[in-house]
Parts: sequence; C-alpha cells; structure tokens
Amino acid sequence: QVTLKESGPGILQPSQTLSLTCSFSGFSLSTSGICVSWIRQPSGKGLEWLATICWEDSKGYNPSLKNRLTISKDTSNNQAFLKITSVDTADTAIYYCARREVYGTPEVMDAWGQGASVTVSS
Amino acid sequence: DIQMTQSPASLSASLGETVTIECRASEDIYSNLAWYQQKPGNSPQLLIYDANSLADGVPSRFSGSGSGTQYSLKINSLQSEDVASYFCQQYNNYLMYTFGAGTKLELK
Repeated sequence: QVTLKESGPGILQPSQTLSLTCSFSGFSLSTSGICVSWIRQPSGKGLEWLATICWEDSKGYNPSLKNRLTISKDTSNNQAFLKITSVDTADTAIYYCARREVYGTPEVMDAWGQGASVTVSS
Repeated sequence: DIQMTQSPASLSASLGETVTIECRASEDIYSNLAWYQQKPGNSPQLLIYDANSLADGVPSRFSGSGSGTQYSLKINSLQSEDVASYFCQQYNNYLMYTFGAGTKLELK
C-alpha cells in the first residue's frame, strides 16, 4: 500500500524559510521511474505544482517560484523535502506531496498525501 | 510553460443531469492529461488519466475525451456524491506540470 504524509512547521513568520518533509511508504525513490512532487493549494483556490524530484535525481521547478525552491530526497529513509525561502502571506496554503510512476499505469500522480497546513503570519 | 485553461469555473446541475468540463492546453500535450476530483477537506483523487482512461474504482459515469490541445470530462447521470471541485492536469513532461484553475460543481 502506497502512503505519503506531509509534515511542516504549521506557522512561520514572513521572510523565514519553510521546510517541508514528505514521508512515504510502499515505494522507493530509488526505483526507476518514481518521482515525488510538491503541490500547494491556498484555501478555497486551485492547485499549484511547485517542484518534482525523480529516481535519478533530476529535478523540476515551477518557473514562477524557481528562485525560492529547493527539492531534495533521502532515499534511505523514504523522504522527500522542499524548502521555500523568503516566505510571505501568499505562501499560506495546504502543501501536498504526490507520487508519480513514470513507467507505470497509470503514469500520473496517483497517490497523494493528506496535506500539511502552513500559515505565514507575523 | 504549458498553460491550461479550464472552463467553466463553476457549474450548477441537477441530479441525473449530464455535465461537461473542458480544458484547453496552450500547446499539444499528446493526451498526457489527467482529471482529479477533490471534495472539501480531502486530497485530490485521480479520476481519468491519458485523457480517456478510467482510474481504478472510478464509476463508469465518468469519462474523458480529447486530443491535441482540447480535452473534456463528462459526468453522466449526476449523483449527489459528485459534488466536488474538478481539476485537469497536464503531465507531458515528467519534470513540469500544470493544473487547470478548477471547476466547482454544485447541485441545483
């Protein structure tokens, strides 16, 4: 069974760095074709893809946020991470991680975590 | 970047009605298109992938179609449990994704 769970600080202040962890089970980020992505959703709004990291350590970033994002992984501990620098209130959102199996069926984000709520406030 | 234009933003329909939601890509995405359903307080759930393939466990009243830049999600015989928000997503490149803005479906 594939599961993912996001964790983060809950609340942080403007200008700080947001650090998020995605802990998962049922798959490995060292397996060919596996990628983990971060997606966020402000309250009442749509989904915004942020970043992706894959088995061979390739990475992709949303161009509108690229300068502030860093994605990484720890394959030994089945975790993926996202850092967002210089946060402001616009970064307040639910943050999700999701798995994609590029060579599988379906080869889309078919497993999502429950989401971690992040509030940026002074 | 590939942009996804989803319409309508909101939709009100009656039980038993057929509803259609559309997504247009800014360039050809070769049917690399998924549809997700999201109910309040829950994570998105996969409905359709590869533009027209039904995900496991999804009722057959849901269907997807389209190619190139134009795609649609159809819900036949609307049920109360279908009240949700729906999002399209392009995945033409495994390191770059875009979601549509979403459609909020309500009962009339």
